[in-house]
Amino acid sequence: NAGVTQTPKFRVLKTGQSMTLLCAQDMNHEYMYWYRQDPGMGLRLIHYSVGEGTTAKGEVPDGYNVSRLKKQNFLLGLESAAPSQTSVYFCASSNRRTGDNQPQHFGDGTRLSIL
Amino acid sequence: LAKTTQPISMDSYEGQEVNITCSHNNIATNDYITWYQQFPSQGPRFIIQGYKTKVTNEVASLFIPADRKSSTLSLPRVSLSDTAVYYCLVGDVYNQGGKLIFGQGTELSVKP
Repeated sequence: NAGVTQTPKFRVLKTGQSMTLLCAQDMNHEYMYWYRQDPGMGLRLIHYSVGEGTTAKGEVPDGYNVSRLKKQNFLLGLESAAPSQTSVYFCASSNRRTGDNQPQHFGDGTRLSIL
Repeated sequence: LAKTTQPISMDSYEGQEVNITCSHNNIATNDYITWYQQFPSQGPRFIIQGYKTKVTNEVASLFIPADRKSSTLSLPRVSLSDTAVYYCLVGDVYNQGGKLIFGQGTELSVKP
Protein backbone atom coordinates (compact mmCIF):
# COMPACT_ATOMS: atom_id res chain seq x y z
CA ASN A 1 0.00 0.00 0.00
CA ALA A 2 1.81 3.13 -1.26
CA GLY A 3 -0.37 5.75 0.47
CA VAL A 4 0.33 9.19 -1.01
CA THR A 5 2.86 9.37 -3.85
CA GLN A 6 4.26 12.62 -5.23
CA THR A 7 5.96 13.02 -8.60
CA PRO A 8 8.62 14.29 -9.21
CA LYS A 9 10.69 14.32 -6.01
CA PHE A 10 13.03 17.08 -7.21
CA ARG A 11 12.88 19.65 -9.96
CA VAL A 12 14.77 22.75 -11.05
CA LEU A 13 12.98 25.29 -13.22
CA LYS A 14 13.85 28.58 -14.82
CA THR A 15 11.74 31.65 -14.14
CA GLY A 16 8.73 31.70 -16.44
CA GLN A 17 8.64 27.98 -17.12
CA SER A 18 5.58 25.92 -16.32
CA MET A 19 5.21 22.53 -14.72
CA THR A 20 2.74 20.21 -13.06
CA LEU A 21 3.21 18.33 -9.82
CA LEU A 22 1.33 15.07 -9.52
CA CYS A 23 -0.15 13.59 -6.37
CA ALA A 24 -1.69 10.13 -6.30
CA GLN A 25 -3.35 8.35 -3.38
CA ASP A 26 -4.51 4.75 -3.22
CA MET A 27 -6.62 4.97 -0.04
CA ASN A 28 -9.86 6.03 -1.76
CA HIS A 29 -9.82 9.28 0.21
CA GLU A 30 -12.33 12.00 -0.59
CA TYR A 31 -10.21 15.00 0.44
CA MET A 32 -6.87 16.04 -1.01
CA TYR A 33 -4.61 19.02 -0.27
CA TRP A 34 -1.55 20.82 -1.52
CA TYR A 35 0.76 22.60 0.92
CA ARG A 36 4.01 24.44 0.61
CA GLN A 37 6.65 24.43 3.32
CA ASP A 38 9.22 27.19 3.66
CA PRO A 39 11.85 27.62 6.38
CA GLY A 40 10.34 29.21 9.47
CA MET A 41 6.85 29.26 7.94
CA GLY A 42 5.49 25.82 8.73
CA LEU A 43 3.05 24.39 6.20
CA ARG A 44 0.66 26.63 4.33
CA LEU A 45 -2.35 25.36 2.43
CA ILE A 46 -2.39 26.27 -1.27
CA HIS A 47 -5.50 24.52 -2.62
CA TYR A 48 -7.65 21.62 -1.57
CA SER A 49 -10.36 19.38 -2.96
CA VAL A 50 -13.33 17.78 -1.23
CA GLY A 51 -14.09 15.41 -4.07
CA GLU A 52 -13.59 14.52 -7.70
CA GLY A 53 -14.18 17.52 -9.95
CA THR A 54 -14.11 20.09 -7.12
CA THR A 55 -11.33 22.38 -5.91
CA ALA A 56 -11.07 25.35 -3.55
CA LYS A 57 -8.52 27.95 -2.52
CA GLY A 58 -6.48 27.70 0.62
CA GLU A 59 -4.35 30.28 2.38
CA VAL A 60 -1.83 30.98 -0.41
CA PRO A 61 -3.42 30.12 -3.81
CA ASP A 62 -1.94 32.87 -5.99
CA GLY A 63 0.27 31.63 -8.82
CA TYR A 64 -1.05 28.07 -8.64
CA ASN A 65 -3.84 26.11 -10.27
CA VAL A 66 -5.15 22.65 -9.45
CA SER A 67 -7.30 19.96 -10.97
CA ARG A 68 -9.00 16.85 -9.58
CA LEU A 69 -10.23 14.98 -12.65
CA LYS A 70 -9.91 11.60 -10.95
CA LYS A 71 -10.58 10.83 -7.31
CA GLN A 72 -7.12 9.40 -6.76
CA ASN A 73 -5.15 12.23 -8.40
CA PHE A 74 -4.64 15.88 -7.49
CA LEU A 75 -2.51 18.02 -9.80
CA LEU A 76 -0.78 21.28 -8.87
CA GLY A 77 0.23 23.55 -11.74
CA LEU A 78 2.60 26.48 -11.95
CA GLU A 79 1.85 28.38 -15.15
CA SER A 80 4.76 30.81 -14.96
CA ALA A 81 7.21 29.87 -12.23
CA ALA A 82 8.73 32.60 -10.05
CA PRO A 83 11.68 32.40 -7.62
CA SER A 84 9.24 33.03 -4.75
CA GLN A 85 7.71 29.63 -5.51
CA THR A 86 10.91 27.85 -4.58
CA SER A 87 9.73 25.57 -1.80
CA VAL A 88 8.98 22.04 -0.72
CA TYR A 89 5.49 21.01 -1.79
CA PHE A 90 3.51 18.41 0.12
CA CYS A 91 0.36 16.66 -0.93
CA ALA A 92 -2.00 15.09 1.59
CA SER A 93 -5.27 13.21 1.61
CA SER A 94 -7.89 12.38 4.21
CA ASN A 95 -11.00 10.30 4.48
CA ARG A 96 -14.46 11.65 5.06
CA ARG A 97 -16.42 10.35 7.98
CA THR A 98 -19.45 12.18 9.26
CA GLY A 99 -19.04 13.58 12.75
CA ASP A 100 -15.31 12.97 12.89
CA ASN A 101 -12.29 14.88 11.68
CA GLN A 102 -10.02 12.42 9.95
CA PRO A 103 -6.24 13.07 9.99
CA GLN A 104 -4.31 13.78 6.83
CA HIS A 105 -1.85 11.39 5.22
CA PHE A 106 1.11 13.15 3.62
CA GLY A 107 3.44 12.32 0.76
CA ASP A 108 7.20 12.84 1.09
CA GLY A 109 7.27 16.08 -0.83
CA THR A 110 8.52 17.62 -4.05
CA ARG A 111 11.52 19.89 -3.74
CA LEU A 112 11.20 22.64 -6.32
CA SER A 113 13.86 25.24 -7.09
CA ILE A 114 13.21 28.12 -9.45
CA LEU A 115 16.20 30.03 -10.75
CA LEU B 1 -8.47 32.29 11.67
CA ALA B 2 -7.10 30.28 14.56
CA LYS B 3 -3.44 31.31 14.57
CA THR B 4 -1.23 28.90 16.46
CA THR B 5 1.93 29.54 18.44
CA GLN B 6 4.47 26.92 19.51
CA PRO B 7 7.97 27.09 21.01
CA ILE B 8 10.55 27.06 18.25
CA SER B 9 12.76 24.44 19.88
CA MET B 10 13.06 22.17 22.91
CA ASP B 11 15.80 19.94 24.27
CA SER B 12 15.35 16.77 26.26
CA TYR B 13 17.17 13.63 27.31
CA GLU B 14 16.31 10.02 26.67
CA GLY B 15 13.76 8.61 29.07
CA GLN B 16 12.26 11.97 30.01
CA GLU B 17 8.69 13.08 29.44
CA VAL B 18 8.34 15.95 26.99
CA ASN B 19 5.43 18.38 26.91
CA ILE B 20 4.95 20.71 23.94
CA THR B 21 2.28 23.37 24.20
CA CYS B 22 0.45 25.03 21.33
CA SER B 23 -1.54 28.23 21.83
CA HIS B 24 -4.61 28.83 19.66
CA ASN B 25 -6.59 31.66 21.20
CA ASN B 26 -9.02 32.07 18.31
CA ILE B 27 -10.01 28.43 17.96
CA ALA B 28 -13.47 28.00 16.47
CA THR B 29 -16.24 25.82 17.87
CA ASN B 30 -15.86 23.16 15.18
CA ASP B 31 -12.06 23.10 15.13
CA TYR B 32 -10.16 19.95 16.01
CA ILE B 33 -6.55 19.96 17.26
CA THR B 34 -4.18 17.60 15.52
CA TRP B 35 -0.48 16.98 16.10
CA TYR B 36 1.98 15.77 13.49
CA GLN B 37 5.61 14.66 13.58
CA GLN B 38 8.02 15.38 10.76
CA PHE B 39 11.48 13.96 10.09
CA PRO B 40 13.90 15.55 7.57
CA SER B 41 13.01 14.88 3.93
CA GLN B 42 9.70 13.30 4.88
CA GLY B 43 6.11 14.42 5.04
CA PRO B 44 4.36 15.03 8.37
CA ARG B 45 3.00 11.97 10.11
CA PHE B 46 -0.12 11.93 12.28
CA ILE B 47 0.43 11.51 16.02
CA ILE B 48 -2.80 12.33 17.83
CA GLN B 49 -5.99 14.33 17.54
CA GLY B 50 -8.52 15.71 19.99
CA TYR B 51 -11.41 18.10 20.47
CA LYS B 52 -11.57 18.55 24.25
CA THR B 53 -10.28 17.07 27.54
CA LYS B 54 -7.67 14.33 27.25
CA VAL B 55 -6.86 11.86 24.50
CA THR B 56 -4.30 9.07 24.77
CA ASN B 57 -2.97 6.59 22.26
CA GLU B 58 -0.01 4.24 22.15
CA VAL B 59 2.54 6.98 21.46
CA ALA B 60 1.30 10.20 23.06
CA SER B 61 -1.29 12.04 25.11
CA LEU B 62 -3.06 15.25 24.25
CA PHE B 63 -4.36 17.56 26.95
CA ILE B 64 -6.92 20.23 26.07
CA PRO B 65 -8.26 22.58 28.77
CA ALA B 66 -11.91 23.52 28.96
CA ASP B 67 -11.46 26.85 27.13
CA ARG B 68 -9.58 25.02 24.29
CA LYS B 69 -7.28 28.00 23.78
CA SER B 70 -4.22 25.80 24.09
CA SER B 71 -3.25 22.16 23.88
CA THR B 72 -0.30 20.15 25.17
CA LEU B 73 1.27 17.18 23.43
CA SER B 74 2.89 14.84 25.93
CA LEU B 75 5.51 12.31 24.81
CA PRO B 76 6.34 9.81 27.56
CA ARG B 77 9.91 8.53 27.92
CA VAL B 78 11.35 9.96 24.71
CA SER B 79 14.13 8.23 22.79
CA LEU B 80 16.68 9.49 20.26
CA SER B 81 14.29 8.52 17.46
CA ASP B 82 11.79 11.11 18.72
CA THR B 83 14.10 13.89 17.53
CA ALA B 84 11.90 15.64 14.96
CA VAL B 85 9.76 18.69 14.34
CA TYR B 86 6.29 18.63 15.89
CA TYR B 87 3.40 20.62 14.45
CA CYS B 88 -0.01 21.39 15.82
CA LEU B 89 -2.83 21.90 13.35
CA VAL B 90 -6.07 23.63 14.22
CA GLY B 91 -9.04 23.47 11.91
CA ASP B 92 -12.09 21.69 10.72
CA VAL B 93 -11.48 19.73 7.56
CA TYR B 94 -15.14 19.53 6.61
CA ASN B 95 -16.37 23.03 7.29
CA GLN B 96 -13.23 25.10 6.96
CA GLY B 97 -10.96 23.12 4.66
CA GLY B 98 -9.35 26.29 3.43
CA LYS B 99 -8.56 27.48 6.93
CA LEU B 100 -6.38 24.68 8.20
CA ILE B 101 -3.65 26.47 10.15
CA PHE B 102 -0.39 24.74 10.98
CA GLY B 103 1.85 26.10 13.72
CA GLN B 104 5.45 26.90 12.82
CA GLY B 105 6.61 23.71 14.47
CA THR B 106 8.70 22.81 17.51
CA GLU B 107 12.07 21.25 16.83
CA LEU B 108 12.63 18.65 19.52
CA SER B 109 16.16 17.44 20.13
CA VAL B 110 16.57 14.35 22.30
CA LYS B 111 20.04 13.78 23.68
CA PRO B 112 21.53 10.57 25.12
